Amino acid sequence: EVQLVESGGGLVQPGGSLRLACEASGFTFNEHYMDWVRQAPGKGLEWLARTRNRLNSHITEYAPSLRGRITISRDDSKNSVYLDMSSLKTEDTAVYYCARESKPQGTNWGSKFFDYWGQGILVTVSS
Amino acid sequence: ERVMTQSPATLSVSPGERVTLSCRASQSVASNLAWYQQKPGQPPRLLMYDVSTRATGVPARFSGSGFGTEFTLTISSLQSEDFAVYYCQQYNDWPPLTFGPGTKVEIK
Repeated sequence: EVQLVESGGGLVQPGGSLRLACEASGFTFNEHYMDWVRQAPGKGLEWLARTRNRLNSHITEYAPSLRGRITISRDDSKNSVYLDMSSLKTEDTAVYYCARESKPQGTNWGSKFFDYWGQGILVTVSS
Repeated sequence: ERVMTQSPATLSVSPGERVTLSCRASQSVASNLAWYQQKPGQPPRLLMYDVSTRATGVPARFSGSGFGTEFTLTISSLQSEDFAVYYCQQYNDWPPLTFGPGTKVEIK
């Protein structure tokens, strides 16, 4: 069974930093592209970042609006993906999801849509 | 950036009715469109990808159509478990990958 479990959320002051982690199980982690998506309270979904798999050199891509404030990384030995966030603002308050990109059969790349999601972790930015 | 819009924002429906949700892209996304269902307190669930391919375990009452800039998700006969928010997502042009604002399907 595929599982994605986020951790590291909580209350942080404006201007602060935070690292979120997502531990995966139930699939061959190093074969999949992994992403972070967030959802502000009562709002829609916002894609943040993706990291490619090992065969594609773990290349990272970011939402232009957040580039420079977030960093996605992964540790295949720990089946984990991370999101480092800095200079946090109140508008960064959201539930943060890690998500697995579907991998088209017979390929080594991600599909850019998400077949599994974690349960999400709440980050609250407030003084 | 491809901007996605969805209509209506809210749809009030009775169980058993046929439901049609619309999604529009600001520029063509070809067939690179997915739909997700989200219930309160839960993560999104993939319903459809490549416009019309149902994800694993998705009932046949869900169908998708469209190409380019206009897309539709149809639920042939709404069941009680289908009351949720539905999001479309384009993956033709990135970064960023973009989602629509969602359509809430509520009980009439």
